[in-house]
Amino acid sequence: GDQVEQSPSALSLHEGTGSALRCNFTTTMRAVQWFQQNSRGSLINLFYLASGTKENGRLKSTFNSKESYSTLHIRDAQLEDSGTYFCAAERGTNTGKLTFGDGTVLTVKP
Amino acid sequence: DTTVKQNPRYKLARVGKPVNLICSQTMNHDTMYWYQKKPNQAPKLLLFYYDKILNREADTFEKFQSSRPNNSFCSLYIGSAGLEYSAMYLCASSRWGGSSYEQYFGPGTRLTVL
Repeated sequence: GDQVEQSPSALSLHEGTGSALRCNFTTTMRAVQWFQQNSRGSLINLFYLASGTKENGRLKSTFNSKESYSTLHIRDAQLEDSGTYFCAAERGTNTGKLTFGDGTVLTVKP
Repeated sequence: DTTVKQNPRYKLARVGKPVNLICSQTMNHDTMYWYQKKPNQAPKLLLFYYDKILNREADTFEKFQSSRPNNSFCSLYIGSAGLEYSAMYLCASSRWGGSSYEQYFGPGTRLTVL
């Protein structure tokens, strides 16, 4: 079946630094969403991309459908950025179903 | 307003008893989804309604039921809860056919079965 390979599975950053999360897709996807899971377990929408790049504050995401990957860049990491980040991709077969990656656990340290 | 609401936020149930979870949205979205999420796992799609048509995933077909009395509301029903049903249940909605199929998630209902 469709697979979304998310990496890394865990990431530790010091405050003020940055890094990137990546999702590779085994099949062509129509769109990708990125979520942050907060401490209560809720999923917060970060980005929805059908192509290209979007930026919001210290976060930037890119989706390359042709090369089957998406990235989420975090810069100037803050303590409140800690949590689990999920990418989820939609294949575009008129079902709207999302296939989720396994998540990246981000820990930001002082 | 991109709010999806879920009730209750926390639910305690006994093994063998039924459970009914509620979701609502006022975005006039035609599609509503239910996911199950367990710790350290990705959300798992259980079922979704496109308008009045219910689609259930094959591996959870017999475990969950749902109803959608109108466009705004959707419920998730467990007829006889087992310990394995303890999880966070996330509702989401989206609109098909437009330029964006973005799914918006509710805050979740944390179900604990004892």
